[in-house]
Amino acid sequence: DQQVKQNSPSLSVQEGRISILNCDYTNSMFDYFLWYKKYPAEGPTFLISISSIKDKNEDGRFTVFLNKSAKHLSLHIVPSQPGDSAVYFCAQHRGADGLTFGKGTHLIIQP
Amino acid sequence: GAGVSQSPSNKVTEKGKDVELRCDPISGHTALYWYRQRLGQGLEFLIYFQGNSAPDKSGLPSDRFSAERTGESVSTLTIQRTQQEDSAVYLCASRLLGWPPGYGYTFGSGTRLTVV
Repeated sequence: DQQVKQNSPSLSVQEGRISILNCDYTNSMFDYFLWYKKYPAEGPTFLISISSIKDKNEDGRFTVFLNKSAKHLSLHIVPSQPGDSAVYFCAQHRGADGLTFGKGTHLIIQP
Repeated sequence: GAGVSQSPSNKVTEKGKDVELRCDPISGHTALYWYRQRLGQGLEFLIYFQGNSAPDKSGLPSDRFSAERTGESVSTLTIQRTQQEDSAVYLCASRLLGWPPGYGYTFGSGTRLTVV
């Protein structure tokens, strides 16, 4: 049973437009979430995070929104750039047990 | 080193053979995690080491899988009698415990294991 779900395996967005990646979770006991970006043949790299005391966290072109009542978070990238093409993983931090990841969304930025 | 180092980067093995994967964490990172990513899947937790405490092995898929870590240094993940379903990228991450945790996790580039 997946505790962190990313229902879109892939997403294609035109360069310059907004990319919106979605993530749902089931266990609200752990309330810190992270987004990772992964290029082929590389390990995931940390992108941005959010804790439940906030509903929004912004870092440059990247913004993460958290809707606790809906158990949903989203990552917005604006404007999208070619270098943003990668697989994006949503993860829930479960204390010392580490991270529980979604299956990832492959973002493709089209010129 | 500056990052988490994993070796080998690629491994092709015959079904039934044993394989050993290595992870060199960042110096000073007390926590070390192994994850597995099978094709089209997310990262699946395997095992967690924290200092000298007993490891959390709850994610290991079968008794063919084992892992060791000496103190706060190198870890090895061993898969005995490999099966085709073991084919995956095996990722290691080390972490400096603290809050917030986001910046603390550093992943290696992984070992791509192919069982033929």
